[in-house]
Amino acid sequence: KAGVTQTPRYLIKTRGQQVTLSCSPISGHRSVSWYQQTPGQGLQFLFEYFSETQRNKGNFPGRFSGRQFSNSRSEMNVSTLELGDSALYLCASSSEPGTGGGGYTFGSGTRLTVV
Amino acid sequence: QKEVEQNSGPLSVPEGAIASLNCTYSDRVSQSFFWYRQYSGKSPELIMSIYSNGDKEDGRFTAQLNKASQYVSLLIRDSQPSDSATYLCAVRMNSGGYQKVTFGTGTKLQVIP
Repeated sequence: KAGVTQTPRYLIKTRGQQVTLSCSPISGHRSVSWYQQTPGQGLQFLFEYFSETQRNKGNFPGRFSGRQFSNSRSEMNVSTLELGDSALYLCASSSEPGTGGGGYTFGSGTRLTVV
Repeated sequence: QKEVEQNSGPLSVPEGAIASLNCTYSDRVSQSFFWYRQYSGKSPELIMSIYSNGDKEDGRFTAQLNKASQYVSLLIRDSQPSDSATYLCAVRMNSGGYQKVTFGTGTKLQVIP
């Protein structure tokens, strides 16, 4: 079956702009979690969506938001970009929230560079 | 105290040796534990999950869990250069009434031919 699809793979944006990232989970998976990965902080939890509802949110400012559609595809949005938002953004797909059905399957990620 | 702690390494082992990767966690009631492998420039991939105290073996990999000590480890037997990667420990824990998965910062493993 198809894996987790994240688009775009790479993005370069300037400070102050906004960006939208997309994630399509594995077919049949209804849970999508988003993580930010940086060399210093590792994988930091952003939020989790299950059946179009945000179930949990990490400690990120309100500039970071997300949503999930009825087909389980998810988007995350970052407004008023800052240099510190430069990171790899990873989407994780699972059959149940909080990986109740086992571990995550990750997408290839979106590499965001803010200049 | 970090919720999930790992030694960042690098951990260097010769080819054919046993690599031992360790992880401690803070939430005593955590129930699910995972090991992911991440090659440079790639996304993490799940290699082991463990839910009960004791050992779980899968090929050259053995996960060990000790809930009393809040400790989980990953052993890689007969290490190969292709095992060189960063290994991430992940713990499913309660957060505000929901479950979330928290990752350690990872241990970089280098297998020397």
